[in-house]
Amino acid sequence: AQSVAQPEDQVNVAEGNPLTVKCTYSVSGNPYLFWYVQYPNRGLQFLLKYITGDNLVKGSYGFEAEFNKSQTSFHLKKPSALVSDSALYFCAVRDMRNGGYNKLIFGAGTRLAVHP
Amino acid sequence: DTAVSQTPKYLVTQMGNDKSIKCEQNLGHDTMYWYKQDSKKFLKIMFSYNNKELIINETVPNRFSPKSPDKAHLNLHINSLELGDSAVYFCASSHGGRINSPLHFGNGTRLTVT
Repeated sequence: AQSVAQPEDQVNVAEGNPLTVKCTYSVSGNPYLFWYVQYPNRGLQFLLKYITGDNLVKGSYGFEAEFNKSQTSFHLKKPSALVSDSALYFCAVRDMRNGGYNKLIFGAGTRLAVHP
Repeated sequence: DTAVSQTPKYLVTQMGNDKSIKCEQNLGHDTMYWYKQDSKKFLKIMFSYNNKELIINETVPNRFSPKSPDKAHLNLHINSLELGDSAVYFCASSHGGRINSPLHFGNGTRLTVT
């Protein structure tokens, strides 16, 4: 079955420190992975994706993610956290079973709290 | 320059009523979706349309009926609303056949059934 796990409900980090939000996946076939961010009362915003190629993917707002095939992980990272990064972060994997059409399966979300 | 817009933003109604949520995208995408986000923030796909054709229909009660008059619009009609329908409903769009095409989401419709 296609699935995504985000093991942490919440991540707390001090401003200026590096942050990591964890994601592991389970897919049959090649994984197509995405990170989204959701601010309060807003829709999800696309941050970055891994389709193929370099394992380190750079995205919006200084975020990056590292694809690790052996560990089936796709952790989101940022070298220096900002208070404004505080939000809900979702990892997602594309489910390719339905004739290849887009269907994203989302993890349960991780709330990131960056403290001044 | 709104990309994916949903109306209304908030919807408060009583059990048993019928209501609709509208969605429009101006991104030129050929595929649109409805996702439901529950009170624990869990997101689950409900429906997907590609060029007005239904391609994904998850195990959603028959009371939910999507309609796509054209590829830029996907509306959601809900009959006989129940308390458990209270959630935030998100519309999204993408280039359906492109594996690297991310979904673009609207800002959601918060439905409260009393």
